[in-house]
Amino acid sequence: QVQLQESGPGLVKPSQTLSLTCTVSGGSISSGSYYWTWIRQPAGKGLEWIGRFYTGGSTNYNPSLKSRVTISVDTSKNQFSLILSSVTAADTAMYYCARASNYGSKKALDYWGQGTLVTVSS
Amino acid sequence: DIQMTQSPPSLSASVGDRVTITCRASQSINSYLNWYQQKPGKAPKLLIYTASTLQSGVPSRFSGSGSGTDFTLTISGLQLEDFATYYCQQSYSTPWTFGQGAKVEIK
Repeated sequence: QVQLQESGPGLVKPSQTLSLTCTVSGGSISSGSYYWTWIRQPAGKGLEWIGRFYTGGSTNYNPSLKSRVTISVDTSKNQFSLILSSVTAADTAMYYCARASNYGSKKALDYWGQGTLVTVSS
Repeated sequence: DIQMTQSPPSLSASVGDRVTITCRASQSINSYLNWYQQKPGKAPKLLIYTASTLQSGVPSRFSGSGSGTDFTLTISGLQLEDFATYYCQQSYSTPWTFGQGAKVEIK
């Protein structure tokens, strides 16, 4: 059973860099055909896709965040990370990591972490 | 970006009711449509993928239909544990986008 667990600071100051890590257990992050994904959700609001890393090596980001976001993978630790620079209060949200699997050519987010709350405040 | 619009944003229903939530895409997405259930304080859970395929372990009272731009999630015989917020999501093209959610509340 695949499990994902987010970790990182819960409080980040405005203009600084948010850094989160997702640790994957129950399966190798470098095997199979999966999309390792970050999603966020401001309190009381909907879900926003941040970006994904494909096991084949490519990354895709939401254009609304593209200039500030980087997703990287550390296969030796079975982790993938999110870096979001120049944060503002608008980046305050619950951040989820998730895995998307292929169903034929279609994809769905079938495993999720429990989420970690990040607050941007001085 | 593909815009996903859900309706209604919220609804009140009783145990045993049949509930229908719709999701409309701003352009055709074939059947690249997934449904998730989210309970307060929890991560979303995949219910249905590719518009109509039930995820393993999900009760058969949940069903999905549609293709192109219009999709439906139906709960046949609402149970107490089904009171939650439901999101549709398209995986046709990046950025993947979600509907704004439909909250199912107890009447």
